[in-house]
Amino acid sequence: DAGITQSPRHKVTETGTPVTLRCHQTENHRYMYWYRQDPGHGLRLIHYSYGVKDTDKGEVSDGYSVSRSKTEDFLLTLESATSSQTSVYFCAISESRTQIKNIQYFGAGTRLSVL
Amino acid sequence: GQNIDQPTEMTATEGAIVQINCTYQTSGFNGLFWYQQHAGEAPTFLSYNVLDGLEEKGRFSSFLSRSKGYSYLLLKELQMKDSASYLCAVRGEDALNFGKGTSLLVTP
Repeated sequence: DAGITQSPRHKVTETGTPVTLRCHQTENHRYMYWYRQDPGHGLRLIHYSYGVKDTDKGEVSDGYSVSRSKTEDFLLTLESATSSQTSVYFCAISESRTQIKNIQYFGAGTRLSVL
Repeated sequence: GQNIDQPTEMTATEGAIVQINCTYQTSGFNGLFWYQQHAGEAPTFLSYNVLDGLEEKGRFSSFLSRSKGYSYLLLKELQMKDSASYLCAVRGEDALNFGKGTSLLVTP
């Protein structure tokens, strides 16, 4: 299994509070991704990173920010959580974006509830 | 844009063969992936197709036709542990886009 650790695994928070989710990898992969997964939707990309301090927006980036200060860590921040951000959040990593090396491997997920 | 379609649910019997279809429309094509996801767990990589044809890996095979925008995942000798969601994902010009997944129930 790819060495990906997400923390926390579960979190309950209140509307309006800031929340930070952490993804840590031990594979030294260049690319890291944050997805959310909701019933009736596929996995949807929030943000991704292609290197330290290099990030870009995905399909559903509104209300989220990210940071990557080290190769191994990718943080996802909800500046002011809303109930619509209740979801399961998955971190993924890939070695490259070309051919077979762009296979994404997923962390175990963080289940976030915003009350 | 991207449009990826797969059946919502399927049911099959232990020991049987099941085929899960995926059709897609993309701007650009750089590979199609299948993932398995058990309830409450992370998606795990099953197969990757970038050229037309069949890729076989044990009990699982995946087929791709780029001209038809079509793929299928074939599961043979079904086992109870194969009950899971199967996600089809297509890499277009930039991002990897996922279908909504097919929930497969294997019955005794």
